[in-house]
Formats: sequence, C-alpha cells, structure tokens
Amino acid sequence: AQSVTQLDSHVSVSEGTPVLLRCNYSSSYSPSLFWYVQHPNKGLQLLLKYTSAATLVKGINGFEAEFKKSETSFHLTKPSAHMSDAAEYFCVVSFGGYQKVTFGTGTKLQVIP
Amino acid sequence: NAGVTQTPKFRILKIGQSMTLQCTQDMNHNYMYWYRQDPGMGLKLIYYSVGAGITDKGEVPNGYNVSRSTTEDFPLRLELAAPSQTSVYFCASNPGQPRDQPQHFGDGTRLSIL
Repeated sequence: AQSVTQLDSHVSVSEGTPVLLRCNYSSSYSPSLFWYVQHPNKGLQLLLKYTSAATLVKGINGFEAEFKKSETSFHLTKPSAHMSDAAEYFCVVSFGGYQKVTFGTGTKLQVIP
Repeated sequence: NAGVTQTPKFRILKIGQSMTLQCTQDMNHNYMYWYRQDPGMGLKLIYYSVGAGITDKGEVPNGYNVSRSTTEDFPLRLELAAPSQTSVYFCASNPGQPRDQPQHFGDGTRLSIL
C-alpha cells in the first residue's frame, strides 16, 4: 500500500530564511512524487514532480525537492522564503493505476515579516 | 485557457436536500477525479473516471454518485445531504498518458450542510 507522511502540520519561518517541508513516503513500487501548493480558497497548483529521472527536481517559484530512496524522503526546500510563499503544501505519491494518488495531510507554511 | 471549472463556488444546503456539483474540463483529459478536503486530512478520493461511461469508487464514495456521459463533464451528485458532507470538494483531471502526469485541479466548491 502507498502512503505519504508530512512530518510537520505547521512550519513558521522568517522572510528571507530557508524553507524545509518534510515528506516521507511508502510505496511498493518506484513511486512518482509531487508537491502541490494551495493558497487560501484556491485549488491545488503543481510545484514540481519526480518521475525517476534526476533525483534533484526544480520547480516553480524557486522551490526544489530531492528524492532520497534510501531514506524514502522527498523534502521540499527553498533558499529564501517570500511572503507570497505562505500557503498550504501537499506531498503526493502516485501509485500508477489510473494515475490515482495519495495525499499527505498538508503543511501550513507561515512566513513572518 | 479555462482548465478545470467547478460550479458553484459556494453552497449551503439543508439536511436531506440534494444537489449536483458541476465539473468541466477543456483539456480533453481522459481521467477525472472528485476529492473532498477536510481540515488536517488532506484530500480523499470520492470517485474517479477513466473515460466517458466509465466510473469507479474511490476511498470515500458513500453518499455520493457520479456519471460521465462526455469527456468534458464529470458531475458529482449528493442525494440526501448530511452534515458529515460539509467539506470542500475538488475536481481534477489528468490526460492519462503518458504515465505519471500531474493532476489539474479546479478551484473547489465549498459546501455547508446545516
């Protein structure tokens, strides 16, 4: 069975400092992994995806994530937080059949001026 | 470039009422999905469809029905609304091929059952 665990429900950082949002997954197969961002009262927007190519994946708005098979992790990072990054972030694992996915419970990122 | 469009954006229902949440996509995607989002729970799959005329249950299908008569439309029906169905509902689509494509989401329908 596939599952994904987001280790922090809330993360608070100061503007201009690094962001780290943690995600661990469990999958019987070689997974595809995604990070989505959700701004208030909006749908989910794709930040980046990993599909067995390069282990370091670059996404939009300066975010990147590294796939580490030995640690079953796919943590999301950004060198310098911006106020506009305040949102909820979801780590998602795809288990392939009909492109169905499993969502993590989300991490709310607060950026302090 | 509309993408996935959901209507209505907000709705309040009384217990026992019925309604249909509409979802339309203009990307000619084969796969479509309905999710509900509850605080602290992530998104849970209600139903999905892999093409016109083909639907299947997801993780939390009880109390809901779907149909898929066209590639573009995938409405979600609540027959007897219950307070437990108060949630935010998201429709999503995916081209199906090539594999491992991301899902495209609508902006959601916020539904309250009182």
